Amino acid sequence: EAQVTQNPRYLITVTGKKLTVTCSQNMNHEYMSWYRQDPGLGLRQIYYSMNVEVTDKGDVPEGYKVSRKEKRNFPLILESPSPNQTSLYFCASMAVGGLGEQYFGPGTRLTVT
Amino acid sequence: QKEVEQDPGPLSVPEGAIVSLNCTYSNSAFQYFMWYRQYSRKGPELLMYTYSSGNKEDGRFTAQVDKSSKYISLFIRDSQPSDSATYLCAMTRGSNYKLTFGKGTLLTVNP
Repeated sequence: EAQVTQNPRYLITVTGKKLTVTCSQNMNHEYMSWYRQDPGLGLRQIYYSMNVEVTDKGDVPEGYKVSRKEKRNFPLILESPSPNQTSLYFCASMAVGGLGEQYFGPGTRLTVT
Repeated sequence: QKEVEQDPGPLSVPEGAIVSLNCTYSNSAFQYFMWYRQYSRKGPELLMYTYSSGNKEDGRFTAQVDKSSKYISLFIRDSQPSDSATYLCAMTRGSNYKLTFGKGTLLTVNP
């Protein structure tokens, strides 16, 4: 089954404790992206990657890091989480040549206290 | 002015009603337009996309684009309780794959 998986699905952590949210896709997609979704603000792009070892900032990259060492994986790293990073996070992927047909993961709900 | 404006609702309709969801945008560089559906506690899923002005129909769903007015719509005919979800419009220039989303409209279809 074609899918994007994220782990963990739910995470409660404390300020300053480094964490990683994993994202993996099995569709051989070149493009991957991370979004955060907040009430009243909608979906905002954090980082995206056009291919292995190619990453770029989205609209709200501050406080986040990403890496793309393998085509299927695109982890999101919060080196020193803060309460304003409490949010619902989505990973998405898309084939090159796609014009918006992104496949989203199930989401990771992060709470930073 | 935000690039994409979408009324967040909520919108509540009886089963069988025709639903109209709308977005306006300010950037004429947007060329490709999409509607995503997001059920509660799920990720968004692509519902429809179009790249030209006019209508595109898929079953009970019709996507409409008016580039001259910078206005896009999604119509749902014979709405069902299973259509209850948040609907997000999205658009892209097509050159760098960045999608710009509306904030989403929460729709509830009551049996």
